[in-house]
Amino acid sequence: TQLLEQSPQFLSIQEGENLTVYCNSSSVFSSLQWYRQEPGEGPVLLVTVVTGGEVKKLKRLTFQFGDARKDSSLHITAAQPGDTGLYLCAETDSWGKLQFGAGTQVVVTP
Amino acid sequence: EAQVTQNPRYLITVTGKKLTVTCSQNMNHEYMSWYRQDPGLGLRQIYYSMNVEVTDKGDVPEGYKVSRKEKRNFPLILESPSPNQTSLYFCASSTSGKIRGWAYEQYFGPGTRLTVT
Repeated sequence: TQLLEQSPQFLSIQEGENLTVYCNSSSVFSSLQWYRQEPGEGPVLLVTVVTGGEVKKLKRLTFQFGDARKDSSLHITAAQPGDTGLYLCAETDSWGKLQFGAGTQVVVTP
Repeated sequence: EAQVTQNPRYLITVTGKKLTVTCSQNMNHEYMSWYRQDPGLGLRQIYYSMNVEVTDKGDVPEGYKVSRKEKRNFPLILESPSPNQTSLYFCASSTSGKIRGWAYEQYFGPGTRLTVT
């Protein structure tokens, strides 16, 4: 089973600052998903990246998939308190087995 | 409204008393899955089902059973719960992963917080 490593584990920033979180593996991802989870709720899918070098934007969130498909990053521009949450990356193998990283807890204070 | 529902949302039980957590989705998804979430360990997959009558073990299947008799329902059964099964449980469903790079994009339910004493 592939091990997904997320960093940092915790990130606290002020409103308006930028932040980047990372998801890495020693093996090649077939595809990678990013989710955000708020306290007391289930994770919500943000994006899926499939192609090496792919960049996707979702408002102030930018997702990158490494050229070698072994790493991914999530960058948030001008963070807002509503961006607070646990950010999770996840990967599925071709048999449908899904694995999550441990997550990065992001706190954005006003 | 497209959704995944779980019941109950909260459950406190005693060791050894069989329980079932129900999960239902109204999106006609083929794929369904159960996860547990524990502090420091993240989300771990218990069982998943690619379609009706097809189930497979995830990373932590011990102590759990599942069945998939209908497309919309995927109950999680704890035959003899133990305190180490105290956790937050999530059910999720997904369309077929064959669309984009075997990505099974999960839609999660609201969670069931289980305490076994």
